[in-house]
Amino acid sequence: QKEVEQDPGPLSVPEGAIVSLNCTYSNSAFQYFMWYRQYSRKGPELLMYTYSSGNKEDGRFTAQVDKSSKYISLFIRDSQPSDSATYLCAMKGLGSQGNLIFGKGTKLSVKP
Amino acid sequence: EPEVTQTPSHQVTQMGQEVILRCVPISNHLYFYWYRQILGQKVEFLVSFYNNEISEKSEIFDDQFSVERPDGSNFTLKIRSTKLEDSAMYFCASSVGDRSYTFGSGTRLTVV
Repeated sequence: QKEVEQDPGPLSVPEGAIVSLNCTYSNSAFQYFMWYRQYSRKGPELLMYTYSSGNKEDGRFTAQVDKSSKYISLFIRDSQPSDSATYLCAMKGLGSQGNLIFGKGTKLSVKP
Repeated sequence: EPEVTQTPSHQVTQMGQEVILRCVPISNHLYFYWYRQILGQKVEFLVSFYNNEISEKSEIFDDQFSVERPDGSNFTLKIRSTKLEDSAMYFCASSVGDRSYTFGSGTRLTVV
């Protein structure tokens, strides 16, 4: 079983739609959960950072972590064409010095 | 907004040659990292560096790889004898603590 699984998509939605992106993981030692956005030929850009379980909201973005199910989500409200990118989940355990484990990424396209 | 700067943006090298990839992390950051992304695959952790020494490394980071912080601003990744399978995007990242990472735009390494 892979450590982090993420549906690669592609996912295409109309402008204004609510987008739901998800990852599952197998390592119960993961404590820190992140969502990155990556535009073509660019480095990952941190969107959301969550420690342990719970929800976190930042503007149009909401991150959810359910450690009991080993499942994390990112919701994008009122999606915009500028949200079109690849979204990567990443996670790491307590005490890990930078060893982020990434999902493969979901390619999102928001159509005007 | 402060950013991580990587040079060159694209490097082509012959198999067996040594390459040095350069990074200027954000000035007040203390942790430094290298990741790579082979085309179509996940972003993978290579190494983390703190207090002038390697703090963690992955199985990928074998004896052909080395890192150095030669002065107060640069952070380099050296690949001693490149192989075709080293072709990838290499991302440098830095952070204040060991959590929220800022990535550079990457160096695309092509080994021919």
